[in-house]
Amino acid sequence: KAGVTQTPRYLIKTRGQQVTLSCSPISGHRSVSWYQQTPGQGLQFLFEYFSETQRNKGNFPGRFSGRQFSNSRSEMNVSTLELGDSALYLCASSSDRGPSYEQYFGPGTRLTVT
Amino acid sequence: AQTVTQSQPEMSVQEAETVTLSCTYDTSESDYYLFWYKQPPSRQMILVIRQEAYKQQNATENRFSVNFQKAAKSFSLKISDSQLGDAAMYFCAYRRKGNQFYFGTGTSLTVIP
Repeated sequence: KAGVTQTPRYLIKTRGQQVTLSCSPISGHRSVSWYQQTPGQGLQFLFEYFSETQRNKGNFPGRFSGRQFSNSRSEMNVSTLELGDSALYLCASSSDRGPSYEQYFGPGTRLTVT
Repeated sequence: AQTVTQSQPEMSVQEAETVTLSCTYDTSESDYYLFWYKQPPSRQMILVIRQEAYKQQNATENRFSVNFQKAAKSFSLKISDSQLGDAAMYFCAYRRKGNQFYFGTGTSLTVIP
């Protein structure tokens, strides 16, 4: 099976712009989670989508949004970018069918806001 | 909210030696799952080992094993015969079915040749 893929791998944006990141989960996985990773804050949970519905949500402002399509692919959007949004954004998928419900991660999208 | 604590920000081990990374978690639930993930400098997060809370037997995966102490809410990772390729950031994680993952802050492991 192909692993989790994320596009683009690298992105440079200007403060105030918006950005959309894409994630394709492992085939058959219906759950997709997004994380922001920074050196100072570690791994921060953004949200999780399951069967096109947001199932869990972290403590991020409304500028961060996401969606999931019927094929389980997911997108994350950040509007009105701030310098502090520079980070590695990780996507992870899981089957939600057990027995262990582990997540598998993509390589990440490195976002730099200037 | 559940919390996962990794009290060792950095650890080092001599090649071929054994090292243990610590993790504790806070939960009032009895049915949950625990994981150790590894993130090498290339940044791809990799699943190392998993443990179902209902299983008393500690999980093992080749050179990696865990010491799961449910009553103490402790979940440590033991790496035997450490190799240079084991150098990475290690994250402990907790989840319940249908709920989000909770990650610790990570332990940076250095392997000394």
